[in-house]
Amino acid sequence: SAVISQKPSRDICQRGTSLTIQCQVDSQVTMMFWYRQQPGQSLTLIATANQGSEATYESGFVIDKFPISRPNLTFSTLTVSNMSPEDSSIYLCSVGTLNTEAFFGQGTRLTVV
Amino acid sequence: DQQVKQNSPSLSVQEGRISILNCDYTNSMFDYFLWYKKYPAEGPTFLISISSIKDKNEDGRFTVFLNKSAKHLSLHIVPSQPGDSAVYFCAADGTDKLIFGTGTRLQVFP
Repeated sequence: SAVISQKPSRDICQRGTSLTIQCQVDSQVTMMFWYRQQPGQSLTLIATANQGSEATYESGFVIDKFPISRPNLTFSTLTVSNMSPEDSSIYLCSVGTLNTEAFFGQGTRLTVV
Repeated sequence: DQQVKQNSPSLSVQEGRISILNCDYTNSMFDYFLWYKKYPAEGPTFLISISSIKDKNEDGRFTVFLNKSAKHLSLHIVPSQPGDSAVYFCAADGTDKLIFGTGTRLQVFP
């Protein structure tokens, strides 16, 4: 199992600003994932962050909007850049290997006004 | 294109009765499925999983059934308890990521 600490847990931000979300894991993991859950929607994968390489983004998500850092095997950040109200969502980091259970942080509830 | 679908956004069940949450998928290549439970202000937590080589997996009060021909799986909770009230997501193990359904909000009332 893995314990994931994600912060901030919530924030209210002005449009046009950026917010960086941090994810700390209590053990070394190869793959970290960032998800978004918009109201009434499913959990949607934004990108996969592997240490030592650039993040891999899913269709519809770009690095300029969601830059990700992965400086080591226990930490990652996701930045939501130039925010608009449409970015209001819950953002979750996750760790795990394929074909097994994934572990999630508690999520960051972002409201853009 | 929603590859994993949970067509019931909500379900209300009396305590002690059975809760049945349904999930459909479109990709016959999916071979591993998972259920997650999510409480408000918390991240999803793993509940139970099933491989496509099985049609049933049981863990205590939770049982997942898989019907490959119908591309359908269901989660049974019996007996349901008020603490089971949460949002339940089914997920399929895609090639390199988990693909989630939209979730079903279960409410168990006394």
